[in-house]
Amino acid sequence: EAQVTQNPRYLITVTGKKLTVTCSQNMNHEYMSWYRQDPGLGLRQIYYSMNVEVTDKGDVPEGYKVSRKEKRNFPLILESPSPNQTSLYFCASSLSLGRVIYNSPLHFGNGTRLTVT
Amino acid sequence: GESVGLHLPTLSVQEGDNSIINCAYSNSASDYFIWYKQESGKGPQFIIDIRSNMDKRQGQRVTVLLNKTVKHLSLQIAATQPGDSAVYFCAEIYKAAGNKLTFGGGTRVLVKP
Repeated sequence: EAQVTQNPRYLITVTGKKLTVTCSQNMNHEYMSWYRQDPGLGLRQIYYSMNVEVTDKGDVPEGYKVSRKEKRNFPLILESPSPNQTSLYFCASSLSLGRVIYNSPLHFGNGTRLTVT
Repeated sequence: GESVGLHLPTLSVQEGDNSIINCAYSNSASDYFIWYKQESGKGPQFIIDIRSNMDKRQGQRVTVLLNKTVKHLSLQIAATQPGDSAVYFCAEIYKAAGNKLTFGGGTRVLVKP
């Protein structure tokens, strides 16, 4: 089954304790992206990757890191989490956003609810 | 399930009626528009898309209308069912900005039995 898999689904941590949220896709997609979703603010892009070893900042990259060492995985790293990073996080992938492909939009994972105390 | 948003506009619809969900987009030069559905506890799921050179596109039980004059997008759901209860987002893509994808705020649809 074609899917984007995020882990963990729920995570509670304390300020300053490094964490990683994993994301994996099995569709051989070139493009992957991380979003955070907050009440009243909608989906905001954190980082994205057009292909292996190519990553770029989105709209809200501060406090986050990513890596794309292989095509299927795109982990999100919080080196020193803070309470304002409490949010619902989504990983997404697409065949390619370098060229918009009709009927091939973003596929999303089921989300990671992160709470930083 | 996850709380998608506490401040979303809500559309209550009787089961079997048609639903119309509206979206005002921001960029008159956007090339491509997408509707997503987000059920509680899940990620957004693609419903239907439309290119900017079209004004209407139909899918299974859904129709998207695009009015570029007033920068308005709508999603019509025919014969709304309980499984249609969800938050619906529109998104626009602007090619000249590197295919920047921008999401709208979303509308919550509640289907009453």
